[in-house]
Amino acid sequence: DTEVTQTPKHLVMGMTNKKSLKCEQHMGHRAMYWYKQKAKKPPELMFVYSYEKLSINESVPSRFSPECPNSSLLNLHLHALQPEDSALYLCASSQGPLGLDGYTFGSGTRLTVV
Amino acid sequence: GENVEQHPSTLSVQEGDSAVIKCTYSDSASNYFPWYKQELGKRPQLIIDIRSNVGEKKDQRIAVTLNKTAKHFSLHITETQPEDSAVYFCAGEANFGNEKLTFGTGTRLTIIP
Repeated sequence: DTEVTQTPKHLVMGMTNKKSLKCEQHMGHRAMYWYKQKAKKPPELMFVYSYEKLSINESVPSRFSPECPNSSLLNLHLHALQPEDSALYLCASSQGPLGLDGYTFGSGTRLTVV
Repeated sequence: GENVEQHPSTLSVQEGDSAVIKCTYSDSASNYFPWYKQELGKRPQLIIDIRSNVGEKKDQRIAVTLNKTAKHFSLHITETQPEDSAVYFCAGEANFGNEKLTFGTGTRLTIIP
């Protein structure tokens, strides 16, 4: 298995809802990432997990809460989002903790906040 | 932190011609530079990467060159084909405890049949 799987592919949520994005990989990668991508913009790093521990939080608002239950899974819990949070949320993984062998991206979750 | 600039933002080339996209980086400690291709509505996919201990790397029609002194690297696509049309992102990353991949702003490449 050489893929990063993200679910759901599309999500529409209200500003008072609580939802979760899920990411899974079975490549034995030890680092996992959440990126946010707005239309016609590059991906922006949100969080990095290395060996299941949060190693980087790019000053992301607390309405986004990451979780890494095990080395294969990465979740992003969403609560009280704003319309400007609408974007493509990409999960990625890499073999080493320093990501020097390139990232494998999932197909993303396209999130719309209404 | 690392800052990566990418040019041009859009590029149109005739099918069969070559395309070149250039990036500069700010952190002299960076030593890993991947290139990603993102087709419309799809995930970014790694197409080639280079580490700072080499100056050039080729993979069929794609090549990347790195000039550490000038802190710039370039993507070269030869014999372009319609399926090369996509947005291309360069990126840079330092390797001493910094796991961040900083992306350039992207180049929309259009191949004209």
